[in-house]
Order: sequence, then C-alpha cells, then structure tokens
Amino acid sequence: NAGVTQTPKFRVLKTGQSMTLLCAQDMNHEYMYWYRQDPGMGLRLIHYSVGEGTTAKGEVPDGYNVSRLKKQNFLLGLESAAPSQTSVYFCASSYSRAQYFGPGTRLTVL
Amino acid sequence: QQQVKQSPQSLIVQKGGIPIINCAYENTAFDYFPWYQQFPGKGPALLIAIRPDVSEKKEGRFTISFNKSAKQFSLHIMDSQPGDSATYFCAARLTDSWGKLQFGAGTQVVVTP
Repeated sequence: NAGVTQTPKFRVLKTGQSMTLLCAQDMNHEYMYWYRQDPGMGLRLIHYSVGEGTTAKGEVPDGYNVSRLKKQNFLLGLESAAPSQTSVYFCASSYSRAQYFGPGTRLTVL
Repeated sequence: QQQVKQSPQSLIVQKGGIPIINCAYENTAFDYFPWYQQFPGKGPALLIAIRPDVSEKKEGRFTISFNKSAKQFSLHIMDSQPGDSATYFCAARLTDSWGKLQFGAGTQVVVTP
C-alpha cells in the first residue's frame, strides 16, 4: 500500500498562473481533505470531501477549487495563483477518526 | 481564530528529559484528540490519540494526559531521544463533522544528545 501520495512534490508558479495538485489514496477511504501549512499557523483546512462527487469548503477556501470524480483521487486547483498561496499543501484521507497524510507539495508563487 | 491553543511554540530538552506540550480548547463538542508528529520535509503522522472519557493513554514512550473539566490535554515524551526531535501538533475533532480536525499551531521539540 502506497497510502496517500501527492504530485508534484515541488512547484514554482508565477502570479496569475494556474495549476492542479493531485492527491491519491489506496486505502478506500471515504473522506479526503486538503490543508495548507504555514509557519506558526498549524494546518488549516482548505476543502474536504465526504465521498465521490461531493466537496465542501473548509476554513480557508478562497482562491481554491476541488474535485473528487473518483473515490481514490482528490484534486486541488488554483485558477490564478497569488503570492499569498505560497505554502506547503497536504492531502489527507480518513475512514473514521484518524487522518492519514501525504508527503506534501511545496508551492512557491512569485 | 484557533479553536485549539497549543504551547509552547518550541522547547529544547536533553536526552532522557521529558518534554511536555500542552493544548487547550473551548468547544465541548470535540470528541477525539489526536497528536501528530512531523519531521522536516514530511507529512504529519498520527502518533497517539485519546477520547474525552479517558484521562490518560500511553503508547510506548508517549503519554497523553486529558483533563476534561479544565478542557486541556498534554503530550509527554518519556526518556526523550534525539530521534524524537520533530514538530508536534495537537488536534481535536468535532462530533459529526465528517472527521474534520482543528489543529494547534505546533510545537518544535529539539532533543539534544
């Protein structure tokens, strides 16, 4: 089992560019989450999904969109990147209480 | 506004010492309290977790103490080792919230040889 995987690992964007981060899990979990991690702020929830075809906003959703077309995949999109979106992004999945995290994507927006 | 307040931001202990990290919350609807360990460049990994009807839980050298009346919980790392140097996050889950967690800001622990 690979667990939770994320691609890419690193990315540099220019302001206004768009990109999609991919999260995949092979644990058959219903719930999936996208977080961003910034120094001194812990992990903040961007969007989450409670099942295939469903998504919902988290704590900091502005500037991001998500899709969950397949149970195992959860995509995070930035339509027009801004420097404030420079962060480390983590995906997680869960079947009840425990959340299992991927290795993260470090995104820099210039 | 963080619903889970974590302290200290950082701490340094010598090998064999017992670093203690504290977390406090206000919302009584939290029903699950996990701790995560994160090494540089890696994702957070579940370390240990506790329910509010239990006052203490031990797993290896890691112990959670839970005080429901004070709405506080803490992580103790017994006989700490340099390999325990990492950032630790406490978290809390709201009942019926699709598993969503509220995280503390994190504590960077350094264990010196």
